[in-house]
Amino acid sequence: AQTVTQSQPEMSVQEAETVTLSCTYDTSESDYYLFWYKQPPSRQMILVIRQEAYKQQNATENRFSVNFQKAAKSFSLKISDSQLGDAAMYFCAYRRWFATGTASKLTFGTGTRLQVTL
Amino acid sequence: GAVVSQHPSWVICKSGTSVKIECRSLDFQATTMFWYRQFPKQSLMLMATSNEGSKATYEQGVEKDKFLINHASLTLSTLTVTSAHPEDSSFYICSARDRIPYEQYFGPGTRLTVT
Repeated sequence: AQTVTQSQPEMSVQEAETVTLSCTYDTSESDYYLFWYKQPPSRQMILVIRQEAYKQQNATENRFSVNFQKAAKSFSLKISDSQLGDAAMYFCAYRRWFATGTASKLTFGTGTRLQVTL
Repeated sequence: GAVVSQHPSWVICKSGTSVKIECRSLDFQATTMFWYRQFPKQSLMLMATSNEGSKATYEQGVEKDKFLINHASLTLSTLTVTSAHPEDSSFYICSARDRIPYEQYFGPGTRLTVT
């Protein structure tokens, strides 16, 4: 079974600084997607960024970027120029892609709570 | 982006009663819907997966007779907590997945309190 591990329960970053959240996963599959989701205090899950396993280039979305190391099964999220609104729980997630052209359910990590200080 | 709504956003019910939570995909057709439960400061725990017109597939340890899921149309799924007890109090989140490329969108959640 696939597992997703987030080893940092809590992280803190000063406003305008950069922070990196870690995620590792375990899978024997070759076709899959990796995601970072943000859950602010409102508890609405928001997709931050997506990475397709077959793509070597790391995904970026404005201030958010990932470091995808497929061989090491590592998928870290870097937040640049941190803002107060970035404070939230961040979940790493894995989803397998089947040869039939369908997708599996999401497997979530345990989450990292990010605090942003002034 | 696509929007998923949940109703109600919070509900208080007495022990022994049943409560229904609705999940709707507002601007897309959801072939698959997921129901999650989340305890404070914890991750999302998948309860069940439902495909339109089919019976839901429950995760191990989830009581299918307690948590009834109906996915009657491509835009609506419901979760009914039957004979609720205080231990069922939790935050319930639904998620709807569209067709290609199987993007998954989350509802805002429902806080259930059983007294």
